[in-house]
Amino acid sequence: GQNIDQPTEMTATEGAIVQINCTYQTSGFNGLFWYQQHAGEAPTFLSYNVLDGLEEKGRFSSFLSRSKGYSYLLLKELQMKDSASYLCAVRDDSNDYKLSFGAGTTVTVRA
Amino acid sequence: DAMVIQNPRYQVTQFGKPVTLSCSQTLNHNVMYWYQQKSSQAPKLLFHYYDKDFNNEADTPDNFQSRRPNTSFCFLDIRSPGLGDAAMYLCATSRDRGFQDTEAFFGQGTRLTVV
Repeated sequence: GQNIDQPTEMTATEGAIVQINCTYQTSGFNGLFWYQQHAGEAPTFLSYNVLDGLEEKGRFSSFLSRSKGYSYLLLKELQMKDSASYLCAVRDDSNDYKLSFGAGTTVTVRA
Repeated sequence: DAMVIQNPRYQVTQFGKPVTLSCSQTLNHNVMYWYQQKSSQAPKLLFHYYDKDFNNEADTPDNFQSRRPNTSFCFLDIRSPGLGDAAMYLCATSRDRGFQDTEAFFGQGTRLTVV
């Protein structure tokens, strides 16, 4: 089965940096995804990691360590519009390549 | 330019009255998924289609069914909605199962209310 854990809530100030951690235990591994979900809306794709290391995309970066079953999403220069839920998802190649999600981390950005 | 379209955005149905949610995609993706997401919870996979091959999750209640008449469309049928079925239902697609760098694209979701 799959077990994906991430903190429930985080609060940060506009312009600051926030790091959202995700740990996972899955039977197989074929990539880790981060999605952003604003309240009442569908998740939108942010980043993808399949090899160890850091992937940078503008203000957002994502890191993966497969041996530790660990990832983080780093949000820099926070803006008010970054207030949303951030979902960590793992694709499991031993389970039909299905995508399993964590419960999400709600980030609140304050002025 | 929405690529995965769900209709309707909001659906109210009566307890026990069958309801159908629809999803269409313009991406020509092989895989279509249906997820159920309740407030502050992770999206939960109900089932998915790989082309015409239907794959049900072991813990998906029999009350939930799906149809995929062609590549572009997929339907979620709830035969007898209960109050516990009120949730956001998300449709997603991906190009294929085994390709890396293939994220899932989500529709806007249908928020179902059962009265």
